[in-house]
Amino acid sequence: EDKVVQSPLSLVVHEGDTVTLNCSYEVTNFRSLLWYKQEKKAPTFLFMLTSSGIEKKSGRLSSILDKKELFSILNITATQTGDSAVYLCAVLRIQGAQKLVFGQGTRLTINP
Amino acid sequence: GAGVSQSPSNKVTEKGKDVELRCDPISGHTALYWYRQRLGQGLEFLIYFQGNSAPDKSGLPSDRFSAERTGESVSTLTIQRTQQEDSAVYLCASSLRTGDSNQPQHFGDGTRLSIL
Repeated sequence: EDKVVQSPLSLVVHEGDTVTLNCSYEVTNFRSLLWYKQEKKAPTFLFMLTSSGIEKKSGRLSSILDKKELFSILNITATQTGDSAVYLCAVLRIQGAQKLVFGQGTRLTINP
Repeated sequence: GAGVSQSPSNKVTEKGKDVELRCDPISGHTALYWYRQRLGQGLEFLIYFQGNSAPDKSGLPSDRFSAERTGESVSTLTIQRTQQEDSAVYLCASSLRTGDSNQPQHFGDGTRLSIL
């Protein structure tokens, strides 16, 4: 059965710290891995990763995929209180259903 | 509209009643998805539509759940004879197309359903 596991489940840091969120997966016919940020309501899209070893960056956020070891990390540098959210990792398969298989999320809290 | 729109945003109903949830995808998006998110948990896939057809209904939890989509636009998710375990946030997402496409899914704000 397809599985996506995120760690840690919860993380509390101080503003200005750097954090690394982890996502490992066991999915047949892997196509891509996506990261979403969920504050109060809709998950908002952050990154889609398809190729191994290519870092994607958006401001203070960056992410990379390792298809050999079956994991991805999401880095946030110089964290701000507005980064507080649940970060969701999801995997899309090549064949069959176009559903995203989600991990349980990492709840990140940034204290001032 | 600019994003995926869902209605109602909140729904409280008594056990045993039927509910209907609505999703308006981003204009031009042919693929539409329904997910369920229970409190403190990740998202569970329910069903997806390519155009008006639903190639995968494998995530629907029981035969009390059904969904339809008309005109490659609006979709409704119906839950009959609601149970307390149906309480969750129901999220809709859309993307440009499926198949070989690598398009991200964009989510609406969800409908928070509470069954008393």
